[in-house]
Amino acid sequence: DTEVTQTPKHLVMGMTNKKSLKCEQHMGHRAMYWYKQKAKKPPELMFVYSYEKLSINESVPSRFSPECPNSSLLNLHLHALQPEDSALYLCASSGKETGPMGVTEAFFGQGTRLTVV
Amino acid sequence: GQQVMQIPQYQHVQEGEDFTTYCNSSTTLSNIQWYKQRPGGHPVFLIQLVKSGEVKKQKRLTFQFGEAKKNSSLHITATQTTDVGTYFCAGSDAGGTSYGKLTFGQGTILTVHP
Repeated sequence: DTEVTQTPKHLVMGMTNKKSLKCEQHMGHRAMYWYKQKAKKPPELMFVYSYEKLSINESVPSRFSPECPNSSLLNLHLHALQPEDSALYLCASSGKETGPMGVTEAFFGQGTRLTVV
Repeated sequence: GQQVMQIPQYQHVQEGEDFTTYCNSSTTLSNIQWYKQRPGGHPVFLIQLVKSGEVKKQKRLTFQFGEAKKNSSLHITATQTTDVGTYFCAGSDAGGTSYGKLTFGQGTILTVHP
């Protein structure tokens, strides 16, 4: 199984709603990531979890709250979002060979296309 | 922080023509990766380069990593319509505090006219 599964594929939410994005991988990867991607732009890193601990937070607003319940699951809790937060949210995972040599191949999910109204 | 610049932003070619995209990092990289994202899709890993001066080939695709490990290129020979998409380079810093972090270039959007 070389897939990263994200749900839902599409989400429309109001600015007062609370919703969650889910991501799952069964490749035994120990690093999991949330990226945000706007149209015609590169993926922007939001969070990195390494061995189920948050290791990098790229100064993301607190209305985005990540959670890693176990090594296979990654959630992104959304609350009080703004219309400018509308984007494709990508989850990715990578293998165990992290450290001084940097990351290894990242597997991306198909993403959740989020619209905030 | 680390920045990865990628050019050109757009490239339109006729089917059969060659295509090259270039990446340049502001810092020395521990490795560089290349991804392809089809329209409406998600990034898909193509290759990783680790060694200074490394050259790797995948059929019509040739990837190079510069001697100083600060630049890289992807060259496609004889493009096909299936090559359409956005090609991203993504660099990882050599150790330090960038544990687990990939910085993506801006991407090159390739259009192939049949």
